[in-house]
Amino acid sequence: EPEVTQTPSHQVTQMGQEVILRCVPISNHLYFYWYRQILGQKVEFLVSFYNNEISEKSEIFDDQFSVERPDGSNFTLKIRSTKLEDSAMYFCASMKDIWNTEAFFGQGTRLTVV
Amino acid sequence: AQTVTQSQPEMSVQEAETVTLSCTYDTSESDYYLFWYKQPPSRQMILVIRQEAYKQQNATENRFSVNFQKAAKSFSLKISDSQLGDAAMYFCAYRSFRINNAGNMLTFGGGTRLMVKP
Repeated sequence: EPEVTQTPSHQVTQMGQEVILRCVPISNHLYFYWYRQILGQKVEFLVSFYNNEISEKSEIFDDQFSVERPDGSNFTLKIRSTKLEDSAMYFCASMKDIWNTEAFFGQGTRLTVV
Repeated sequence: AQTVTQSQPEMSVQEAETVTLSCTYDTSESDYYLFWYKQPPSRQMILVIRQEAYKQQNATENRFSVNFQKAAKSFSLKISDSQLGDAAMYFCAYRSFRINNAGNMLTFGGGTRLMVKP
């Protein structure tokens, strides 16, 4: 069964460093998302991406964040200069279309900023 | 903005028994979708069941059913004949109905950890 895959499963980085989290969505899906979950808190929406551009972003998704779909298969989230408070579980999701279909999630990347 | 609240951080159930997980939400919209996602430990979230707000009939999927009360903005999940494999974190989620390409993200509740006792 097709699934969303994320790499790495765990990333440890120094504060101030750049990180790139990678996702391979399901191949015929058109909508892509990043969510994050800080330990003990709710899963929060970061950004949605459609037709090679951001369609919506939350207030969390500031200038430190960017997303890209560089080659038609990968979908990446870049954090330019990580802060301690960026430590969280980051989930990628994809959806085939917007008509009553479900979002499929990856297993997440745990980012630890030290 | 929409909010989703799960008031039970943890629940436990005896194997083969029935358990109900609660979810309430707040919205001014009339058309939307509601979902229950299951997240086993160290695994991705998978969809358990979904409900379209325009449908009056409650959704069912095998042992899983919902009690959707639109006026009360309540969306509870009932798991019948609980199995050990049902142990997981369960998230209630809301999605607006949109015909454009924005605004179709999920808004999640805080989750309920379900433990199943053998």
